[in-house]
Amino acid sequence: EAAVTQSPRNKVTVTGGNVTLSCRQTNSHNYMYWYRQDTGHGLRLIHYSYGAGNLQIGDVPDGYKATRTTQEDFFLLLELASPSQTSLYFCASSDLWGGRQNTLYFGAGTRLSVL
Amino acid sequence: DAKTTQPDSMESTEGETVHLPCSHATISGNEYIYWYRQVPLQGPEYVTHGLQQNTTNSMAFLAIASDRKSSTLILPHVSLRDAAVYHCILRGTGSKLSFGKGAKLTVSP
Repeated sequence: EAAVTQSPRNKVTVTGGNVTLSCRQTNSHNYMYWYRQDTGHGLRLIHYSYGAGNLQIGDVPDGYKATRTTQEDFFLLLELASPSQTSLYFCASSDLWGGRQNTLYFGAGTRLSVL
Repeated sequence: DAKTTQPDSMESTEGETVHLPCSHATISGNEYIYWYRQVPLQGPEYVTHGLQQNTTNSMAFLAIASDRKSSTLILPHVSLRDAAVYHCILRGTGSKLSFGKGAKLTVSP
């Protein structure tokens, strides 16, 4: 079974604070994704990557940086956190070219509160 | 990825067969139709996918219209555990994958 692990599970910070959300996948997948989920908006794509050192912009990238250090690890960085970034964040991985089944596997989520 | 349209919510009763519709009028020929479901406080979970032919697995039956502009996820004999938000999304050769709000399925005893 594919595994995607996010840490921390919960995080509280203050406005202007510096936050790093971590994601590790043990699926040997090429693609990794960061989403945020807010009531009324569903899941929105922030950044994604197709390999170590690669970064692609998603639909709502403003205020976020991301870095893919290895095939396994993908980080989401909020350097000056704002209350509008209070949200539930999900990481996912997929093997885009693994046949026709490029299924996404999601982590359990990180709940971030910016006060 | 092209966009999809789903109802905001649907209601059902345990034991019923539920039909969840999805419209994707601008689907491209290389785009697969994927369904995921999500329960509160958890990430989305894969349900099924298809390209042109109807598909079935242990979780659901996916009926795809002959023109591929719509699809229906059929959940037989739903239980309380099937209550979730169901997402219908399209995925082609591009790697970007965007979700909408999905359709919330409520199951009553």
